[in-house]
Amino acid sequence: NAGVTQTPKFQVLKTGQSMTLQCAQDMNHNSMYWYRQDPGMGLRLIYYSASEGTTDKGEVPNGYNVSRLNKREFSLRLESAAPSQTSVYFCASSPFETSGETQYFGPGTRLLVL
Amino acid sequence: GDSVTQMEGPVTLSEEAFLTINCTYTATGYPSLFWYVQYPGEGLQLLLKATKADDKGSNKGFEATYRKETTSFHLEKGSVQVSDSAVYFCALTNTGGFKTIFGAGTRLFVKA
Repeated sequence: NAGVTQTPKFQVLKTGQSMTLQCAQDMNHNSMYWYRQDPGMGLRLIYYSASEGTTDKGEVPNGYNVSRLNKREFSLRLESAAPSQTSVYFCASSPFETSGETQYFGPGTRLLVL
Repeated sequence: GDSVTQMEGPVTLSEEAFLTINCTYTATGYPSLFWYVQYPGEGLQLLLKATKADDKGSNKGFEATYRKETTSFHLEKGSVQVSDSAVYFCALTNTGGFKTIFGAGTRLFVKA
């Protein structure tokens, strides 16, 4: 039982390049989330998927797209990377059968955009 | 909108000292409250939670009580260890919702 896995662990991009961050969970959770973590700002929600087949914008969606490929996988795509997207990205999942459920986090992807 | 405010860090303590990290929240309805911990180089993991007023969450010697009258959920530990050095996040999820609002995080350093 691996929990939430993310790939890659580290990535360096040049401005304008594109990339996809991958996330998978093996806990049969309904909800999945993408956050970015920046110093002094906590975690900010980029996009979330309440259930398979649905996605919605979070607090900071500009410059990102997502795909809920199936119940296990939720990917985040940067179409044209910008230095402001330098951050640590975390994927999380939650059972969400009632409110107040715990979120389970992956180990993160460190992204540097030059 | 909903929000979480927690004390700024870093907090530096000696081993066996008493720890308090303050957290207050603003929310409509009856949110669930959480403390998550992030060890260096890792993702967040749940430390404890409370889902209704006056509930006390506890884990690994840490405690927090859901105080609706003061809209607070302060984290306490009676005797910290070097291994408690980490970043601590207070968070809330509101009634019927599944989005979690996180505070900015408080970094704790514990010296031997």
